Amino acid sequence: GENVEQHPSTLSVQEGDSAVIKCTYSDSASNYFPWYKQELGKGPQLIIDIRSNVGEKKDQRIAVTLNKTAKHFSLHITETQPEDSAVYFCAASNRTPLVFGKGTRLSVIA
Amino acid sequence: KAGVTQTPRYLIKTRGQQVTLSCSPISGHRSVSWYQQTPGQGLQFLFEYFSETQRNKGNFPGRFSGRQFSNSRSEMNVSTLELGDSALYLCASSHGLAGGLAYNEQFFGPGTRLTVL
Repeated sequence: GENVEQHPSTLSVQEGDSAVIKCTYSDSASNYFPWYKQELGKGPQLIIDIRSNVGEKKDQRIAVTLNKTAKHFSLHITETQPEDSAVYFCAASNRTPLVFGKGTRLSVIA
Repeated sequence: KAGVTQTPRYLIKTRGQQVTLSCSPISGHRSVSWYQQTPGQGLQFLFEYFSETQRNKGNFPGRFSGRQFSNSRSEMNVSTLELGDSALYLCASSHGLAGGLAYNEQFFGPGTRLTVL
């Protein structure tokens, strides 16, 4: 089955700097790669996703890139703000349930 | 559009008891998936229901079961609770229509925090 590895597990950045979180997956049939943000006491919130027919997708300060050959995808957050502090999860799937990475705790220091 | 709702938000039970959790998906969504979230194991898939039928199932023991009603609302039940069942149980809804671009897009509820003593 699918296996998703996520790095780093924790990440601290200064406000205004960029943050990058990376994930690798094992199943070459996976074609959908969402990113979720989870704040304390809340469920995961879908923030951006990418499908295998696209290499990059951007939404304001967040962007996701996908390299299907290498089987990895990354989340980029620019101009980080304190409200970006949360746990971020990547996931992968192919018409199957989402398989999640273990999460990255991002702390943005003001 | 209202989001995914889950009830109750918090539950405390003792070992050996059973528990039922409820999830109401986004209006128009026909697929409901359940996940267990723990600090050690992360987010793990329990099962998915689509049009009242279980469509996918994860690697959890038979003590974990679920069902879906004709209005797409779903319940999950855990019988003979164990200490290790303490977790945040998350429900996610999606259109679930095979072949559609939105097939995989899942939206999560706030979860039910279950504590087993």
